Amino acid sequence: GAVVSQHPSRVICKSGTSVKIECRSLDFQATTMFWYRQFPKQSLMLMATSNEGSKATYEQGVEKDKFLINHASLTLSTLTVTSAHPEDSSFYICSAPKQALNTEAFFGQGTRLTVV
Amino acid sequence: AQSVTQLDSQVPVFEEAPVELRCNYSSSVSVYLFWYVQYPNQGLQLLLKYLSGSTLVKGINGFEAEFNKSQTSFHLRKPSVHISDTAEYFCAVRKNNAGNMLTFGGGTRLMVKP
Repeated sequence: GAVVSQHPSRVICKSGTSVKIECRSLDFQATTMFWYRQFPKQSLMLMATSNEGSKATYEQGVEKDKFLINHASLTLSTLTVTSAHPEDSSFYICSAPKQALNTEAFFGQGTRLTVV
Repeated sequence: AQSVTQLDSQVPVFEEAPVELRCNYSSSVSVYLFWYVQYPNQGLQLLLKYLSGSTLVKGINGFEAEFNKSQTSFHLRKPSVHISDTAEYFCAVRKNNAGNMLTFGGGTRLMVKP
């Protein structure tokens, strides 16, 4: 089946630093990828839609300057949390639909970000 | 706009007992319906999906769900649960006429006790 790989799985960083999270589609090309954020014991909230070769589309209330998204190739999207603060600590998950099976999205393993 | 409601935030159940996790949705257009499972500190794994056709859908790990259009429901069931089924379960919908964006319910934590 289709595989989406997310890296790193866990990261701890100091306040004020930036963290980059990668999302790769391993055996298919993804022109669109989605980034979600999940707080403890809560559901997934869509942050933004990453579009290959163009700007990402952010959901209302998500700061585009804080959460930088780059989708430079058909298999890679990155989310950079800039000037991280403790309130940015969360579980971030990416997903990508496989176009040939465009009714299903495949999810990465998630990244646990802790800002200290 | 569409929304997804999972009525139970937690469902405790004894091992080998049956379980039903409820999901209701609202949408002005036809939708595709999904159930995902999430184990601690992991991503989401697809359990099953309803696209069209038979309203009873069978998925992995012995789970099944039934699409009820009149009640706008897509409840997840398993006749006999195992300890290993302890996880968070998410119901999700996607409009079938545009895009691939999923809208998730709040999640239900299934806790299987010995």
